Amino acid sequence: SAVISQKPSRDICQRGTSLTIQCQVDSQVTMMFWYRQQPGQSLTLIATANQGSEATYESGFVIDKFPISRPNLTFSTLTVSNMSPEDSSIYLCSVGGGGPETQYFGPGTRLLVL
Amino acid sequence: GQQVMQIPQYQHVQEGEDFTTYCNSSTTLSNIQWYKQRPGGHPVFLIQLVKSGEVKKQKRLTFQFGEAKKNSSLHITATQTTDVGTYFCAGNTDKLIFGTGTRLQVFP
Repeated sequence: SAVISQKPSRDICQRGTSLTIQCQVDSQVTMMFWYRQQPGQSLTLIATANQGSEATYESGFVIDKFPISRPNLTFSTLTVSNMSPEDSSIYLCSVGGGGPETQYFGPGTRLLVL
Repeated sequence: GQQVMQIPQYQHVQEGEDFTTYCNSSTTLSNIQWYKQRPGGHPVFLIQLVKSGEVKKQKRLTFQFGEAKKNSSLHITATQTTDVGTYFCAGNTDKLIFGTGTRLQVFP
């Protein structure tokens, strides 16, 4: 299984600001995924990030709000832009194989927006 | 859109009792996966089921995939305090859809 790290592990931000979350994997992977988990809820897929192409966003999530970068096969960033208290969540990156296979999750970034 | 529901939402058991969570998809799945998330932690992959009617065991955990590949269950025999957490199924079609989760609390 892949070893995944995320930075920051947690943050408290003011509304209207932006936060960039980094996800680093210890091996090269084709697909990386970004999820949101609101308190006490399940995981919701935000987008799929493939290296060398634009991220694919799920319904309800847009690039202007959640821009994603995927500069290489071991790294990705998710930016939460113009934050509001409703963006307070845990943001998780995960990696999988060449399709919707088993996924390994990073430790998550706990975001609180005031 | 595709939905994956789990019941119960919460379950409190005495240590040593059995526990079962049920997962139901609105659509037929290519496979189903189960994850465990400890309090304050991240989801950890447990197992994947692919074949209709498949049953897999991991020590005290038994996983089953329904004949129609639309439902699944996780059964834990003789729960321990280390089993505490939220158990998610995740159904696979062209993407992974996580179930609503079942939060298990085990009292010693």
